[in-house]
Amino acid sequence: NAGVTQTPKFQVLKTGQSMTLQCAQDMNHEYMSWYRQDPGMGLRLIHYSVGAGITDQGEVPNGYNVSRSTTEDFPLRLLSAAPSQTSVYFCASSTLGLGNPYEQYFGPGTRLTVT
Amino acid sequence: QKEVEQDPGPLSVPEGAIVSLNCTYSNSAFQYFMWYRQYSRKGPELLMYTYSSGNKEDGRFTAQVDKSSKYISLFIRDSQPSDSATYLCAMNVNQGGKLIFGQGTELSVKP
Repeated sequence: NAGVTQTPKFQVLKTGQSMTLQCAQDMNHEYMSWYRQDPGMGLRLIHYSVGAGITDQGEVPNGYNVSRSTTEDFPLRLLSAAPSQTSVYFCASSTLGLGNPYEQYFGPGTRLTVT
Repeated sequence: QKEVEQDPGPLSVPEGAIVSLNCTYSNSAFQYFMWYRQYSRKGPELLMYTYSSGNKEDGRFTAQVDKSSKYISLFIRDSQPSDSATYLCAMNVNQGGKLIFGQGTELSVKP
């Protein structure tokens, strides 16, 4: 099992550009989420999904879109990048049924810089 | 005010010391409490979890929850340089799903 994979690992964007951060998991987890991590702010939830076709907003959703067409994939789209979106982005997944429902498995992160 | 508050540190201790990490929270509906460990430039990994109030021990690590005070703690005994990492508390209302994280405490254990 590869677990949770994220691409790219690093990205530099100019203000106003758009891009998609990719996230995939091979554990058949129902729940997937995106966080951003900034110094002194911890992990803040951007969007989450409890299954294919179902998404909802987290704490800091503005400027980001998500969709979930399959169980495995949960891409995060930046519509028009701003310097305030410079951050490290983590994707995570967990089961909602059997297994340990408390454990979210995190990907390795994408470091995004917006100039 | 954030729902979960955690002192970001940094905290520096000598090898072998007992470390105490703490979080306070405001939402009395939280029932599930977790500690994640994050090494530099890596994603967080679950270290321990507890349900409701009480203590849980796993090797050198002990997690405590005091729901009456809305306060949780993680104790590390005989700390090792390999324990140097950022420790994040997290909690949620329902089993599984949306977690609320603290800011994380950066710990450094010096040989």
